Amino acid sequence: ETGVTQSPTHLIKTRGQQVTLRCSSQSGHNTVSWYQQALGQGPQFIFQYYREEENGRGNFPPRFSGLQFPNYSSELNVNALELDDSALYLCASSFSRDSPLHFGNGTRLTVT
Amino acid sequence: TQLLEQSPQFLSIQEGENLTVYCNSSSVFSSLQWYRQEPGEGPVLLVTVVTGGEVKKLKRLTFQFGDARKDSSLHITAAQPGDTGLYLCAGVRPEDSSYKLIFGSGTRLLVRP
Repeated sequence: ETGVTQSPTHLIKTRGQQVTLRCSSQSGHNTVSWYQQALGQGPQFIFQYYREEENGRGNFPPRFSGLQFPNYSSELNVNALELDDSALYLCASSFSRDSPLHFGNGTRLTVT
Repeated sequence: TQLLEQSPQFLSIQEGENLTVYCNSSSVFSSLQWYRQEPGEGPVLLVTVVTGGEVKKLKRLTFQFGDARKDSSLHITAAQPGDTGLYLCAGVRPEDSSYKLIFGSGTRLLVRP
């Protein structure tokens, strides 16, 4: 059974740029959630996708957007990057909307 | 202000010692989860508690959900170096959908051989 995989593992961007992070769900999982974990903090919920539609959203501005594809893989897009966007971005897949989350190892984004 | 406060923030103990970490809130949660996160990895779910007063055991780890469902604790007996990591509690508020987890800031545990 393949777990949740995220790419890239590390990324450095400049303020104002745009970034796309990718996530492959665990086999059999149809739901993907994205979390942002700033240094020294716990993860914060960004949004969840279920069957290719946004199913819920946390307190993040519209410049954070996502996609889920028919194979249940997912992308997180962030436009107009700010220094405070520097964080570990975690993707988690689950069997259904209310099932336990299985996290990937994250993408470490640094904005300079 | 964090909705879930974890204490202590850091803990360094000798192998074989016992420890307790706490997760407190002024808000009620319909369920609470505990995760362990190791450097360079994502959090891994250890347990979910849903009933006030519930106690769950996982080998040397004991988890308790407070009677009022506002707090939780994790007790580790005879800690081992393999227990080293960041312990995170995460809750679901009754007014939220179950997938919207609210995490605490974590307790970073170091168990010295």
